Amino acid sequence: DAGVTQSPTHLIKTRGQQVTLRCSPKSGHDTVSWYQQALGQGPQFIFQYYEEEERQRGNFPDRFSGHQFPNYSSELNVNALLLGDSALYLCASSTLGAGNEKLFFGSGTQLSVL
Amino acid sequence: GESVGLHLPTLSVQEGDNSIINCAYSNSASDYFIWYKQESGKGPQFIIDIRSNMDKRQGQRVTVLLNKTVKHLSLQIAATQPGDSAVYFCAENPGGSQGNLIFGKGTKLSVKP
Repeated sequence: DAGVTQSPTHLIKTRGQQVTLRCSPKSGHDTVSWYQQALGQGPQFIFQYYEEEERQRGNFPDRFSGHQFPNYSSELNVNALLLGDSALYLCASSTLGAGNEKLFFGSGTQLSVL
Repeated sequence: GESVGLHLPTLSVQEGDNSIINCAYSNSASDYFIWYKQESGKGPQFIIDIRSNMDKRQGQRVTVLLNKTVKHLSLQIAATQPGDSAVYFCAENPGGSQGNLIFGKGTKLSVKP
């Protein structure tokens, strides 16, 4: 039973570029949440997808967008990258439909913006 | 505990000792709390959770205590092992928003063999 998987594991981009990160939830999970973790900080909530719709959003600009597919996998897109977007991007899955709040995290994508 | 910039609070313990990691949470409406362990290069790993209608919950070698009066959470690890070395985060769910966890800044636990 695979856990939460994310790709790629590392990525280097330059300012102004766009990036797409991918996540496959744990088997049986229907909800995907994305978090940004800056070095030395706790993860910060970006947004959550359930039933292919964005259900909740944290305090992140519109440059951050996402998508959820019918198979529950998800993408995080960031446009017009800034140096400050360099961080570890974590995907977490859960079973919102079953009212389960416990999040299971992937190992993340380390994004470096130069 | 609080941290400034990249400087995480650090707790250093001897192998076999008990560890206590503390956390102050922010929202009195939070009704669900989780402790996560994060090792270098990995995502946060679930340790134990507790709901606001409880004040103590025990797992294997771990105990979480919740004091709602002062909005304080603690994680106790019994007989700490070198494999427990990691950064520990508390997280709160601010009432009714499943998946939108608010994380603390973390405490780095170092276990000396």
